[in-house]
Amino acid sequence: NAGVMQNPRHLVRRRGQEARLRCSPMKGHSHVYWYRQLPEEGLKFMVYLQKENIIDESGMPKERFSAEFPKEGPSILRIQQVVRGDSAAYFCASSRSPQETQYFGPGTRLLVL
Amino acid sequence: KQEVTQIPAALSVPEGENLVLNCSFTDSAIYNLQWFRQDPGKGLTSLLLIQSSQREQTSGRLNASLDKSSGRSTLYIAASQPGDSATYLCAASYQGAQKLVFGQGTRLTINP
Repeated sequence: NAGVMQNPRHLVRRRGQEARLRCSPMKGHSHVYWYRQLPEEGLKFMVYLQKENIIDESGMPKERFSAEFPKEGPSILRIQQVVRGDSAAYFCASSRSPQETQYFGPGTRLLVL
Repeated sequence: KQEVTQIPAALSVPEGENLVLNCSFTDSAIYNLQWFRQDPGKGLTSLLLIQSSQREQTSGRLNASLDKSSGRSTLYIAASQPGDSATYLCAASYQGAQKLVFGQGTRLTINP
């Protein structure tokens, strides 16, 4: 059973470009969570999705950031018009149910030049 | 506000020693608490999950405890090895919310 997959592992963007981060949950998991780890800081929750629905987006910045988890395909975290402060490691996690262990992917490291 | 704190931020011990990592949380309405390991430049590996109804969980040389009344959890590592060197994170989830609230982590170094 493959673990949580994230791609790309590394992404370089110039200021003003768009970044798309993809997350494929573990097989049988329909709950997906996105977290961000800024340099020298802890992980912060961004958004929690269940197939086709956003359940909790209390950690998402109000502008430029969006997330989706379509019926078919991976979950996507989209950052429009990136700025240098968006440089961070973005981690995706999945679980079979909200009460069970969250399993984390290897992360996508975004660098904004 | 729900906060998780880990002290110390860094710890260095000789190989073979038993050690304890500390985690405290501010809200007793905790649902569960997880301990993770993070290696440099890598993702998180789940070590132990303790439900709020449990007092401790064990896996190999690792033992995690949970005391809701005092707002504390500890991760005990027995007979430490150089391969245990990593950053250890604790994270709490609370009633009514599925998100994990993370501590800042303890960077552990085991010296051969």
